[in-house]
Amino acid sequence: AQKVTQAQTEISVVEKEDVTLDCVYETRDTTYYLFWYKQPPSGELVFLIRRNSFDEQNEISGRYSWNFQKSTSSFNFTITASQVVDSAVYFCALMDSSYKLIFGSGTRLLVRP
Amino acid sequence: ETGVTQTPRHLVMGMTNKKSLKCEQHLGHNAMYWYKQSAKKPLELMFVYSLEERVENNSVPSRFSPECPNSSHLFLHLHTLQPEDSALYLCASSQRQGGAYEQYFGPGTRLTVT
Repeated sequence: AQKVTQAQTEISVVEKEDVTLDCVYETRDTTYYLFWYKQPPSGELVFLIRRNSFDEQNEISGRYSWNFQKSTSSFNFTITASQVVDSAVYFCALMDSSYKLIFGSGTRLLVRP
Repeated sequence: ETGVTQTPRHLVMGMTNKKSLKCEQHLGHNAMYWYKQSAKKPLELMFVYSLEERVENNSVPSRFSPECPNSSHLFLHLHTLQPEDSALYLCASSQRQGGAYEQYFGPGTRLTVT
């Protein structure tokens, strides 16, 4: 069965701290895709990144970085030097061979000034 | 307008009312989706339309009725809802043929059923 687990329900940090959001997935497909979305209080899910199962290269985009490790079925997301505007719920998602998006339960990040 | 828009943003309805949610995408995509997000459950996929044809219906009760008149518009018609249907309803769009593409979401409609 396809499944995404985000074990951290809520994280609170002080501004400028680094924070890592964990994501563990389960799939039997050899080809799959992983995503991260951000949901600020306004409600809209904002697409952050897509990674396919053949590309294990880590990615950095500004203060955001992603660590994809197939060996541990993890796709973790790190925010460096967090800011108050990073406060949101972050969702990890898996797309299976039927192109259906399966979401984790989300991690609520609170960045305090 | 850009991206994916949804109206209304907030809706309060009684259990005997009939209302509709509207979604419009301005991204040239060929697939559209309805999701339900309630407080205690992960995001649930309700319906998928690809090239205006419904390709997925995840055991959604018949009191929810989707309609996709063209590739840019998606509706969710609601009737005789229950209080447990209160949730945030999110619309999304994407490309769907030839690979896996990210979905782009609208801001959602916060629905309260009284």
